[in-house]
Amino acid sequence: SQTIHQWPATLVQPVGSPLSLECTVEGTSNPNLYWYRQAAGRGLQLLFYSVGIGQISSEVPQNLSASRPQDRQFILSSKKLLLSDSGFYLCAWTPGQATDTQYFGPGTRLTVL
Amino acid sequence: AQSVTQLGSHVSVSEGALVLLRCNYSSSVPPYLFWYVQYPNQGLQLLLKYTTGATLVKGINGFEAEFKKSETSFHLTKPSAHMSDAAEYFCAVSEWNNYQLIWGAGTKLIIKP
Repeated sequence: SQTIHQWPATLVQPVGSPLSLECTVEGTSNPNLYWYRQAAGRGLQLLFYSVGIGQISSEVPQNLSASRPQDRQFILSSKKLLLSDSGFYLCAWTPGQATDTQYFGPGTRLTVL
Repeated sequence: AQSVTQLGSHVSVSEGALVLLRCNYSSSVPPYLFWYVQYPNQGLQLLLKYTTGATLVKGINGFEAEFKKSETSFHLTKPSAHMSDAAEYFCAVSEWNNYQLIWGAGTKLIIKP
């Protein structure tokens, strides 16, 4: 069966520090991968998605970036965090198009102070 | 552009009462429709989805939703609320050959004892 992992589960970082969040999927190959953010009291915001290694689509201009160095690994990064980057970050995968079910990881709670 | 509207950011019902969470979409093309549930500090979990065929879709935990093309709606219902249903519920839509889901803002379901 397929599983999706995210780490760390929680993170507290000072403003201006770098960020690296990791997501990995097991038990499938060539998944589509997604990064979402939930800010307090707000819905889901799609940040990035990837349909293959090295293929990243950005949905929102910001100081975040994403990379997919391996088929089942998706990394969210920032060189300098802002206060507004605080939120709950969710990784998700689908076996194919978005018409397929998206399966979500447990999330990372990021607090920028 | 496709959009999803969930009426009511918070819905409160008594335990044992009917649950009705509303979702309307904007597409003129019959979309694919999803309901997800999110418990506090967790990822999202698929409740049910409509792709084609029968317009009444049954999901997990006793929930069901009906696709009404004429009303562009996909409301979520459950005959009798349980305390364990307290969570946030998200409606999402997608179109064929699209890698993204369009998400509603979410509705927090509160269950009163």
